[in-house]
Amino acid sequence: QQPVQSPQAVILREGEDAVINCSSSKALYSVHWYRQKHGEAPVFLMILLKGGEQKGHDKISASFNEKKQQSSLYLTASQLSYSGTYFCGTENSSNTGKLIFGQGTTLQVKP
Amino acid sequence: DAGVTQSPTHLIKTRGQQVTLRCSPISGHKSVSWYQQVLGQGPQFIFQYYEKEERGRGNFPDRFSARQFPNYSSELNVNALLLGDSALYLCASSLVVEGELFFGEGSRLTVL
Repeated sequence: QQPVQSPQAVILREGEDAVINCSSSKALYSVHWYRQKHGEAPVFLMILLKGGEQKGHDKISASFNEKKQQSSLYLTASQLSYSGTYFCGTENSSNTGKLIFGQGTTLQVKP
Repeated sequence: DAGVTQSPTHLIKTRGQQVTLRCSPISGHKSVSWYQQVLGQGPQFIFQYYEKEERGRGNFPDRFSARQFPNYSSELNVNALLLGDSALYLCASSLVVEGELFFGEGSRLTVL
């Protein structure tokens, strides 16, 4: 039931792009994306809802393929501050508030 | 504006003891969720409360319980602690049941 994230880890140079994928074996109502830096709380990045509604940050984009039960997070022109662990959280039905998080993708951006 | 605040930040208990963790949501947020995060893994859902009612429960034993107070603050209680309960316990608040979550810094519990 836990969504599967790929890759598990990625190392980039500043300015490079990255894609993080999140795949579920169950039908999805929504997908959340969060970033957690070491020793800190997870921080909200984006929500994607069934039907196409999105809410998130300007410099980060994402897609949600309801049919394939997948979501991808696109990080373009990466900055050092993008380093951290990215988690997708999936919600299988509406109005439950129950997020099932993936195992995380660790992103390291080097100068 | 103050964010989500949790207390205590760190605590050490021994097996069999009981612990109470506290959470104050962002002002105006009526939903509080609790997650357990073991090192190297994603947060695992424990409970969600909205308007003082339990809206969801994860796959945790009955030793875990929670409640939400009229001011929307919340407590998570864990009885009969096991070594495996050692983790970071995160509280998150949101405006609505399925809105974006604002996490607190967490309470790190060590069970010896």
